[in-house]
Amino acid sequence: DAKTTQPPSMDCAEGRAANLPCNHSTISGNEYVYWYRQIHSQGPQYIIHGLKNNETNEMASLIITEDRKSSTLILPHATLRDTAVYYCIVRAYNTDKLIFGTGTRLQVFP
Amino acid sequence: SAVISQKPSRDICQRGTSLTIQCQVDSQVTMMFWYRQQPGQSLTLIATANQGSEATYESGFVIDKFPISRPNLTFSTLTVSNMSPEDSSIYLCSVERALGNEQFFGPGTRLTVL
Repeated sequence: DAKTTQPPSMDCAEGRAANLPCNHSTISGNEYVYWYRQIHSQGPQYIIHGLKNNETNEMASLIITEDRKSSTLILPHATLRDTAVYYCIVRAYNTDKLIFGTGTRLQVFP
Repeated sequence: SAVISQKPSRDICQRGTSLTIQCQVDSQVTMMFWYRQQPGQSLTLIATANQGSEATYESGFVIDKFPISRPNLTFSTLTVSNMSPEDSSIYLCSVERALGNEQFFGPGTRLTVL
């Protein structure tokens, strides 16, 4: 079973920041938080991952709380092309399995 | 990143037949996986394709139904055997260059069983 909880859907205005929350209260010390997204009819796309420090790349920022029980994916300037299902996944570094939950369906509107 | 192609991209098949899906990567990778995404659902891991040995299946998936081959480090096949309408799904392969790295997904194969 997935070890994360996400809201089923969210809306965001184009150009605004999209903040997608994820709860992973049972995360273990050796588990990373990964984020993927799936645009309609395509394979999932890797976005970012982190252990305990905040991370940023060209796509997004990942903010992990100090107790590591929750995190937030931030898309700083959402565009219509960011409309997708976003999956938050907890994964141990020494395992190959990605266990997908139900994700958050993000709708970016004009 | 990795460039992954799957063939066929979609197919419509008759009940009781089998379909083999191919996954090709543009460079050698350590890990290859097969997932299923049923209509309106999230992804479920079917198995890990092991190069030169039998695949490792997840609970609920068996080799007789989903035989997998991986003859080298860039190619794998998944066969959906004796299909029924319940097998209608998108089947995706994914790859990982090394344990713990990010996984990259193929575009998927959309299968409809009549």
